Amino acid sequence: GAGVSQSPRYKVAKRGQDVALRCDPISGHVSLFWYQQALGQGPEFLTYFQNEAQLDKSGLPSDRFFAERPEGSVSTLKIQRTQQEDSTVYLCASSPQRAGLVRNYGYTFGSGTRLTVV
Amino acid sequence: AQSVTQLDSQVPVFEEAPVELRCNYSSSVSVYLFWYVQYPNQGLQLLLKYLSGSTLVKGINGFEAEFNKSQTSFHLRKPSVHISDTAEYFCAVSEGTGRRALTFGSGTRLQVQP
Repeated sequence: GAGVSQSPRYKVAKRGQDVALRCDPISGHVSLFWYQQALGQGPEFLTYFQNEAQLDKSGLPSDRFFAERPEGSVSTLKIQRTQQEDSTVYLCASSPQRAGLVRNYGYTFGSGTRLTVV
Repeated sequence: AQSVTQLDSQVPVFEEAPVELRCNYSSSVSVYLFWYVQYPNQGLQLLLKYLSGSTLVKGINGFEAEFNKSQTSFHLRKPSVHISDTAEYFCAVSEGTGRRALTFGSGTRLQVQP
């Protein structure tokens, strides 16, 4: 597609429920990042994929968070046993280059998924 | 570890007036610097970036920024703003080595008034 697509746009989950957030990067993009963005704050890094390999997951806040990109294209961020503190916006970004060259090209961000845990 | 400080959470300005959005960073190594804009209900869009070379960087929509290594700053400027520039602006840094991701500031809300 023309841009990075994220679905659903909004998700309401009951506390304790598992959720899956989807990111469709631009076709052919090598690098894929997940960020979370709290209200009134800048995005914070969660995890990074180069093709299907998850090279950095240092930003994932707990072992309830899991991300995958099995075929090097679509990525899913899964949150198990959701808690109220998980309520925030989750952003996906992709780049045509591998990490070392991403800076030269920047990222294309999706519009995000707003998760609300009730 | 790298960090970014955007000193102003909100900047109100009248249409056609100049504006400067401030950004300071801290890092122990060389850095690459970025400004992103976020319009309501949209993804972040790259305005401009500094990788190397000239310290004055020109971006889209008439914005420019100047990298000042001694001041560890990367302030964003526009000589004459429009109503359509109303948005959230984020400064971000990526270190020359190591971590692959961007570290963002907390953002500055630019509110252009008629």
